[in-house]
Amino acid sequence: DTGVSQDPRHKITKRGQNVTFRCDPISEHNRLYWYRQTLGQGPEFLTYFQNEAQLEKSRLLSDRFSAERPKGSFSTLEIQRTEQGDSAMYLCASSPAGTGNEQYFGPGTRLTVT
Amino acid sequence: GQQLNQSPQSMFIQEGEDVSMNCTSSSIFNTWLWYKQDPGEGPVLLIALYKAGELTSNGRLTAQFGITRKDSFLNISASIPSDVGIYFCAGRLDSNYQLIWGAGTKLIIKP
Repeated sequence: DTGVSQDPRHKITKRGQNVTFRCDPISEHNRLYWYRQTLGQGPEFLTYFQNEAQLEKSRLLSDRFSAERPKGSFSTLEIQRTEQGDSAMYLCASSPAGTGNEQYFGPGTRLTVT
Repeated sequence: GQQLNQSPQSMFIQEGEDVSMNCTSSSIFNTWLWYKQDPGEGPVLLIALYKAGELTSNGRLTAQFGITRKDSFLNISASIPSDVGIYFCAGRLDSNYQLIWGAGTKLIIKP
């Protein structure tokens, strides 16, 4: 399977705990994106990497959120001190070098904060 | 916040009918993308459009990039049960790599 993969698919955590999600992009794609999606809405951009460099961050990405892509391959998104408002689907997408227009999404990680 | 208006919000249709949905923006986009999302899954890219006036097909799906660069349309011909889901438009401004998303059109096929 050469698509984007995400792990875990579901995560239930208690408020205040830290969580980390992983994304493995399509192997030849050098751009990687994180989005958050809540019910009834389209995805909202969080951050973007080109290779290992984090080039853009949304103001939605509070100080409790951090993303890394240390070797320019897989990426992790960590949320510290989770809040109930963090409950959402977290989507990862990747796109090939070039214009970066066509983004291919993984299946997402559904986070529930209780 | 989102800058795209996608309509309709939902559609109830009979199997075999044609479907049309559209997105409009107050900003000029240089790219329009159409995605379909099934429950619990990530969006799947259906069609990508890069030029004003461009008309592109993917099987029973046809999408157009509006001449003004501020709108796009998606048509589905002869709908079948597996077409149910939420269809999203997404556009890209000239200035950055972010995609701006519509709120989605939920397609429901009446039995």
